[in-house]
Amino acid sequence: EPEVTQTPSHQVTQMGQEVILRCVPISNHLYFYWYRQILGQKVEFLVSFYNNEISEKSEIFDDQFSVERPDGSNFTLKIRSTKLEDSAMYFCASSERQGVILGGSGANVLTFGAGSRLTVL
Amino acid sequence: SQQGEEDPQALSIQEGENATMNCSYKTSINNLQWYRQNSGRGLVHLILIRSNEREKHSGRLRVTLDTSKKSSSLLITASRAADTASYFCATRTSGTYKYIFGTGTRLKVLA
Repeated sequence: EPEVTQTPSHQVTQMGQEVILRCVPISNHLYFYWYRQILGQKVEFLVSFYNNEISEKSEIFDDQFSVERPDGSNFTLKIRSTKLEDSAMYFCASSERQGVILGGSGANVLTFGAGSRLTVL
Repeated sequence: SQQGEEDPQALSIQEGENATMNCSYKTSINNLQWYRQNSGRGLVHLILIRSNEREKHSGRLRVTLDTSKKSSSLLITASRAADTASYFCATRTSGTYKYIFGTGTRLKVLA
């Protein structure tokens, strides 16, 4: 069964350092997302991406964050200067379609990766 | 309160019992989905119910949706120890791209 893969599974970094988290979405999916989950807390939306541009982002997704799809297969999340509060699990997700675009009922299922745990010291 | 709040926050039951979790949301939605998360792992889609549906079944799962009350419930029948996980509802507000997840219900099924 197709899956979303994320690397690294765990990264430890010093505060102020840049971090890049990588994701390989399912190959025929068109919509890509990053979510994060601070330990034991809710799953928070960061950003959605379609057609090589950000379609929506949350208040969390400030200038320190960026996303890129550099080569048609990878989807990356970059944090330019990490803060202690960036420590969390970061989940990548992809979906095949988006009802808003197609004018449908908006039913699309997100397939999540296993996550990348980021620890900022 | 936040879009997508589940209750209870935690639920502990014996194997074989039914587990019911509830989700409330605030805005108009296109559909509502339930996901499951095993500890430290990614979320796995369980079931989707559209805004024009009231009830849906999938195996031991039964989901209801009441758009007038902006609430949904997930029922797991004949629970098993392997059902132990956190369960989240997710909603997408009409006209947006993002799915918002609730705070989750941590279910523990005791063998």
